[in-house]
Amino acid sequence: GNSVTQMEGPVTLSEEAFLTINCTYTATGYPSLFWYVQYPGEGLQLLLKATKADDKGSNKGFEATYRKETTSFHLEKGSVQVSDSAVYFCALSATGANSKLTFGKGITLSVRP
Amino acid sequence: DTAVSQTPKYLVTQMGNDKSIKCEQNLGHDTMYWYKQDSKKFLKIMFSYNNKELIINETVPNRFSPKSPDKAHLNLHINSLELGDSAVYFCASSPRTLLGDEAFFGQGTRLTVV
Repeated sequence: GNSVTQMEGPVTLSEEAFLTINCTYTATGYPSLFWYVQYPGEGLQLLLKATKADDKGSNKGFEATYRKETTSFHLEKGSVQVSDSAVYFCALSATGANSKLTFGKGITLSVRP
Repeated sequence: DTAVSQTPKYLVTQMGNDKSIKCEQNLGHDTMYWYKQDSKKFLKIMFSYNNKELIINETVPNRFSPKSPDKAHLNLHINSLELGDSAVYFCASSPRTLLGDEAFFGQGTRLTVV
């Protein structure tokens, strides 16, 4: 079946540090890939997405590139801010009927001033 | 206007009770979902409806019963609540069956069973 593996957390960084959150996936066919973010006490929001190999999704300074050869979709940001503190989820949706979002375990990011 | 709204936001109830969580979306989407988030933040799909028709039913106890009166609403009824049902339940919707489309999530309902 489909699955998403995220690096273990939590992650604590100082403001303006570089961020990488690893995500790899297993899926049949050609899935779409997503990063969702959950701020404290809120629901999930889409951060960025990529729908085919070599696509780069970007938003709010975050980027992730769909790498089919390594089945990866790592999230990066060059300079994190305190306001980026949240839980980050990597997810995939498989093509075809009855597709659903399969999530990774999520990783908590804390950014110190 | 809230795109996907759930009520209530918090629900505290005793074991054995029956409770419902309501969800409404005003985005005109065809597909709606219920997800459960456990204490470790892990998200797992429970149900998915497309145009009021059940299309995904994961391994969920029969005590959980979704109902979709129309494509803008997907409610979740839980019978005989157990301590292990304590979690945050998220409703979501998407335009189609997620063929590259994002899902929009509600704020969540934090259910605590005591």
